[in-house]
Amino acid sequence: AQKITQTQPGMFVQEKEAVTLDCTYDTSDQSYGLFWYKQPSSGEMIFLIYQGSYDEQNATEGRYSLNFQKARKSANLVISASQLGDSAMYFCAMREGRISGTYKYIFGTGTRLKVLA
Amino acid sequence: KAGVTQTPRYLIKTRGQQVTLSCSPISGHRSVSWYQQTPGQGLQFLFEYFSETQRNKGNFPGRFSGRQFSNSRSEMNVSTLELGDSALYLCASSTLGQGETDTQYFGPGTRLTVL
Repeated sequence: AQKITQTQPGMFVQEKEAVTLDCTYDTSDQSYGLFWYKQPSSGEMIFLIYQGSYDEQNATEGRYSLNFQKARKSANLVISASQLGDSAMYFCAMREGRISGTYKYIFGTGTRLKVLA
Repeated sequence: KAGVTQTPRYLIKTRGQQVTLSCSPISGHRSVSWYQQTPGQGLQFLFEYFSETQRNKGNFPGRFSGRQFSNSRSEMNVSTLELGDSALYLCASSTLGQGETDTQYFGPGTRLTVL
C-alpha cells in the first residue's frame, strides 16, 4: 500500500491565484513528520515546509501553508498568490521511525504544477 | 551555511563500469541519505548513514554501496553498471538523531547516464 499518495499528477493555476496540492499519508507511528519539497527542472529538491505530527497549528512559510488534518491523514500544500517561478514538480514526503530509530523518509509520486500567465 | 554539495554533477559511463559519487553535507549534519530518482520509479531511498554507520537501507541490490567518513562526507558506489542505473542521484543531509529538527536538505544531484 502506498504510504504517501499524491492523486494529482498535474495541475494548472493562473498567476496570482491560490492552489492546493493534495497529499494523504498512511502510518502507524505516533511521531512522524510531513514535508513538502519543490523540484524545478534543474533537478534540485528544495525544502518548502515541515509539519510535525504533534504540531497543533498548521505550518506556514511565506506563501506556503500546510493544511494538516491528522484524523483524515492529509497534509495538503497551499500556495497563495502563485508566481510563474512556482512552476515545478512538488513532492510530499513523510518521515517515520523516529521512535524505533529506523528513520525512513518516504516520498510521493509528485504533482507537476504549471502556473499560467 | 553552505548547502549540500554533490560531485560530479554529470557522469556518463558504459555498462559494466563502476562509479563513485560524492556528497558533502551541511556543516554540523551527521545524517546523510541517498536517493535514486527515475521517471518510472520516482524517488527511491537507497541508504542513510549517521556517524559513519549505515543506519537504514532501501531495497537495492548489493551493487549499490556507500560509506561515510568521519567528517560526515559520504560516497556512494555502484558497481557493474546497468542501463537501468541511469538516474538522478540525490544526496540529502539532516540533523536527524541529533535532537533537532529532522528536515532533510538536498544537494543538486548527480545525473548518471549509462550507455
